[in-house]
Amino acid sequence: GAVVSQHPSWVICKSGTSVKIECRSLDFQATTMFWYRQFPKQSLMLMATSNEGSKATYEQGVEKDKFLINHASLTLSTLTVTSAHPEDSSFYICSAPGATYSYNEQFFGPGTRLTVL
Amino acid sequence: QQQVKQSPQSLIVQKGGISIINCAYENTAFDYFPWYQQFPGKGPALLIAIRPDVSEKKEGRFTISFNKSAKQFSLHIMDSQPGDSATYFCAAGFQGAQKLVFGQGTRLTINP
Repeated sequence: GAVVSQHPSWVICKSGTSVKIECRSLDFQATTMFWYRQFPKQSLMLMATSNEGSKATYEQGVEKDKFLINHASLTLSTLTVTSAHPEDSSFYICSAPGATYSYNEQFFGPGTRLTVL
Repeated sequence: QQQVKQSPQSLIVQKGGISIINCAYENTAFDYFPWYQQFPGKGPALLIAIRPDVSEKKEGRFTISFNKSAKQFSLHIMDSQPGDSATYFCAAGFQGAQKLVFGQGTRLTINP
């Protein structure tokens, strides 16, 4: 099956700093990737759709200036949390439609746990 | 209309029993209904998915039942095992758009 990786798997940063999270499709190309946020014991909330070569599309209520998304290649999308604050602490997960594309099948990365002190 | 409502929030089943999780949706434009399994600290993994043109799909111990008129679908786990203990999410999506709307999740515990 298609594999999606994320790096780092866990990051701790000080309040006010910026953090970059990478999402890679390892064995397939993805013109679109999705970024989700998941708080403890809660569901996945879609933050934005990352489009290769164009601007990301953000969901309502997501600050685009705070969560910068860059989809620079067909295998890499990055999410930068700018001026992070403790309330940004969460589990960030990316996904991409698989190479064996079958009717919206999504493959998820392992997630990145962000802790802002 | 974009919501997917999932129940129960948590479920405890004895080993060997049947686990049943239910979801309901409002938007009739949804045409793809997957179930994901998530272990603590991991990303979700696709378990099984169904399209609205069939009423049931079975893969091993996992079965999706789909009721288009009631706008409901459910996951049945037969012969539940302790290794099935995880959080399960239903979701709904649109063909081509690829975006998914997730249910609230069900924490399943299988007692040995």
